[in-house]
Amino acid sequence: KNQVEQSPQSLIILEGKNCTLQCNYTVSPFSNLRWYKQDTGRGPVSLTIMTFSENTKSNGRYTATLDADTKQSSLHITASQLSDSASYICVVSDRGSTLGRLYFGRGTQLTVWP
Amino acid sequence: EADIYQTPRYLVIGTGKKITLECSQTMGHDKMYWYQQDPGMELHLIHYSYGVNSTEKGDLSSESTVSRIRTEHFPLTLESARPSHTSQYLCASSDHPSGIPSTDTQYFGPGTRLTVL
Repeated sequence: KNQVEQSPQSLIILEGKNCTLQCNYTVSPFSNLRWYKQDTGRGPVSLTIMTFSENTKSNGRYTATLDADTKQSSLHITASQLSDSASYICVVSDRGSTLGRLYFGRGTQLTVWP
Repeated sequence: EADIYQTPRYLVIGTGKKITLECSQTMGHDKMYWYQQDPGMELHLIHYSYGVNSTEKGDLSSESTVSRIRTEHFPLTLESARPSHTSQYLCASSDHPSGIPSTDTQYFGPGTRLTVL
């Protein structure tokens, strides 16, 4: 069964601190992995996308890493801000069809306190 | 900010009512999707479309139906709403700038929070 597991389920940090979110997957054959940010009551917004050959991708203070051998990814947030409070969703795509089926994790709920 | 819109944002209705959730995008994307998301849970694909006059069922069985008469419009209809339909419904669209379907990025609307009493 293809699955995407994220940890921790929730995380509270102080403003200005760094944090790392984890994503483990069993999707095969692997095509790419995306990290999305979902603010409360809003739709997800793409942060990064990585294919099999990429092991790191940055978007401002967000840096995603991918280890396709161990099927693990992480999202590192540097110098957190209050606006980083959101759910961060890991999404893995397979190559089983032209649609590229997406497998969604349940997300990590990040809360940044002042 | 993606140009994809959903209305209404919130809807509270009684059991048995027929409802239509609207979704429109101005990006000219061929592919559109409907997802269902419960609090703290993953998104589940319920419908998708490759383009005009194309509709397919997704991974999660749903009693809803969709239509795609125009590229920019992808409405979802529930003929008879039930409390089990209470959820958040997210619409998304995507294109293939690289020509490779599996690498496209989906742009999501703000969602419709549906409550059926």
